[in-house]
Amino acid sequence: AQSVTQLDSQVPVFEEAPVELRCNYSSSVSVYLFWYVQYPNQGLQLLLKYLSGSTLVKGINGFEAEFNKSQTSFHLRKPSVHISDTAEYFCAVSEGNTGKLIFGQGTTLQVKP
Amino acid sequence: DAGVIQSPRHEVTEMGQEVTLRCKPISGHDYLFWYRQTMMRGLELLIYFNNNVPIDDSGMPEDRFSAKMPNASFSTLKIQPSEPRDSAVYFCASSSSQGANYGYTFGSGTRLTVV
Repeated sequence: AQSVTQLDSQVPVFEEAPVELRCNYSSSVSVYLFWYVQYPNQGLQLLLKYLSGSTLVKGINGFEAEFNKSQTSFHLRKPSVHISDTAEYFCAVSEGNTGKLIFGQGTTLQVKP
Repeated sequence: DAGVIQSPRHEVTEMGQEVTLRCKPISGHDYLFWYRQTMMRGLELLIYFNNNVPIDDSGMPEDRFSAKMPNASFSTLKIQPSEPRDSAVYFCASSSSQGANYGYTFGSGTRLTVV
């Protein structure tokens, strides 16, 4: 079965600093990969997804992620964070040929002034 | 598209009462998922449907929980009787398994408080 590991439960960072949120998955077959963001008291919103093609995927709000098949990783990055990026971030991977996603436990990004 | 629509947004009920949560998925999506989110357990998959048929309900905590999808545009999650430990945010999500539309779209959630 697929699994997703988000290596950091919390990431504190100062405003305007770069950030990387790490995500590793277990799979030996082709997968689709996703990052979702959840702002306080809101639902989960799609940040970006990798389905095929270029391994560098750009998403909303200046975020990007790189698919690394050999490392089975899909780390999320932003070169300069804002206070408004404070939120919970979830990495997810597709399960086989179903429409189901397997989610990681989430990483809380805390941006400090 | 209006996205995935959940109702109500907030529900406060007394222990022992029946609670029904509702979800309207995105038109054309063939999968529908019900999740529960709490601080302690994070995001838990309760049940999911494919083409209106329940595929996996192993995440449903007890017989008190039931879910239906009578047609492609509507699903309900019912808790009867409700208990304080059911207090959580319940999310519905729909998905297409085809092509570039692959991936979940979540509703805004229903915050359930059982007192």
